[in-house]
Amino acid sequence: AQSVTQPDIHITVSEGASLELRCNYSYGATPYLFWYVQSPGQGLQLLLKYFSGDTLVQGIKGFEAEFKRSQSSFNLRKPSVHWSDAAEYFCAVDPGFQKLVFGTGTRLLVSP
Amino acid sequence: SAVISQKPSRDICQRGTSLTIQCQVDSQVTMMFWYRQQPGQSLTLIATANQGSEATYESGFVIDKFPISRPNLTFSTLTVSNMSPEDSSIYLCSVGLGQETYEQYFGPGTRLTVT
Repeated sequence: AQSVTQPDIHITVSEGASLELRCNYSYGATPYLFWYVQSPGQGLQLLLKYFSGDTLVQGIKGFEAEFKRSQSSFNLRKPSVHWSDAAEYFCAVDPGFQKLVFGTGTRLLVSP
Repeated sequence: SAVISQKPSRDICQRGTSLTIQCQVDSQVTMMFWYRQQPGQSLTLIATANQGSEATYESGFVIDKFPISRPNLTFSTLTVSNMSPEDSSIYLCSVGLGQETYEQYFGPGTRLTVT
């Protein structure tokens, strides 16, 4: 079945440490890939996107993500986490129908 | 991107009543979408609302329960009808921007509690 998987429900990272959030998708062809962040009481903000080309994409707030076709993955990374990064992160895919399918989300907690 | 506003930001409603949520965009857009985010859950697409045509509903969502209007290129409404506590959710609208594919930008959401 077509799906988007975020295997980590919660992740706790120390402030200043690096971060990697995992996302795997199950679609026949490479979909369009997105990462969104939802801060408490806020709507969703687009962090970055992958459509084609360079498999390492840069986004806002110092985030980057790497598309790996062989692993059907699109993991989000940040070299140094700030306390303000604590939020819910959603991976989403558009399999080509101009509709977003969201993963279940990963809640990031940042410890001092 | 686009600036998207929603009204109301939150509401508490009694079961059996209906609530209409408004979504306003600061520029003309072709594609608008409505999502539901149940408590502690991810987002699920309810329907796609294109101006000048009937909304297209996803599996599990029906027009009688979630009627949608799209009178122009900057505005849409979603009505949650005959509400039950199971309808308690955050409802978000989004707009699709882009040429080759649509990046979606989201409004702040409407938090609905049904008692």
